[in-house]
Amino acid sequence: DTAVSQTPKYLVTQMGNDKSIKCEQNLGHDTMYWYKQDSKKFLKIMFSYNNKELIINETVPNRFSPKSPDKAHLNLHINSLELGDSAVYFCASSPPSYYEQYFGPGTRLTVT
Amino acid sequence: TQLLEQSPQFLSIQEGENLTVYCNSSSVFSSLQWYRQEPGEGPVLLVTVVTGGEVKKLKRLTFQFGDARKDSSLHITAAQPGDTGLYLCAGDDGQNFVFGPGTRLSVLP
Repeated sequence: DTAVSQTPKYLVTQMGNDKSIKCEQNLGHDTMYWYKQDSKKFLKIMFSYNNKELIINETVPNRFSPKSPDKAHLNLHINSLELGDSAVYFCASSPPSYYEQYFGPGTRLTVT
Repeated sequence: TQLLEQSPQFLSIQEGENLTVYCNSSSVFSSLQWYRQEPGEGPVLLVTVVTGGEVKKLKRLTFQFGDARKDSSLHITAAQPGDTGLYLCAGDDGQNFVFGPGTRLSVLP
């Protein structure tokens, strides 16, 4: 069984569209995250979500919004997509100690 | 300015060679982790170090946490092509959890 799964693996869409990426973890972790990895492979945290507490990286545009229907899921919704949103987005989860991250396989988003 | 710096940025070596990559910061970290990321996949956790001066070994990989908990190193003995990947350090300084920019390692057969 895949510990952290994401769908879709690839997403190609046009500017201005709204899209969602889904994430599910079966590790029983309380905290989930969304990361953006740019073309230079720099991994930057966007959100962390723990027991209904959302911590937002202040540099993330408000077009991005995480939605958590339950502890095992943290979806990412993006409004009005822009060219600069093209990147690989990773979902991750972690146990309570040491912030150890367990990553999903990533979603490659291409905005045309 | 990044909270975590990694060096070198790129490293290309021949199979069988030894290498060391570094992760440095001016901040003190309560814990620090190393990850390896292969193309098209998410980063995979290799190790977590929490005590200053701590050394952990994972087969041919040796991880060290600096005495002051501001830096760490990863040493690979007798590198193999399967070690090729992006090596990322990450840490928690009590206020932020951040990743370094990574060292891209290529081991040539």
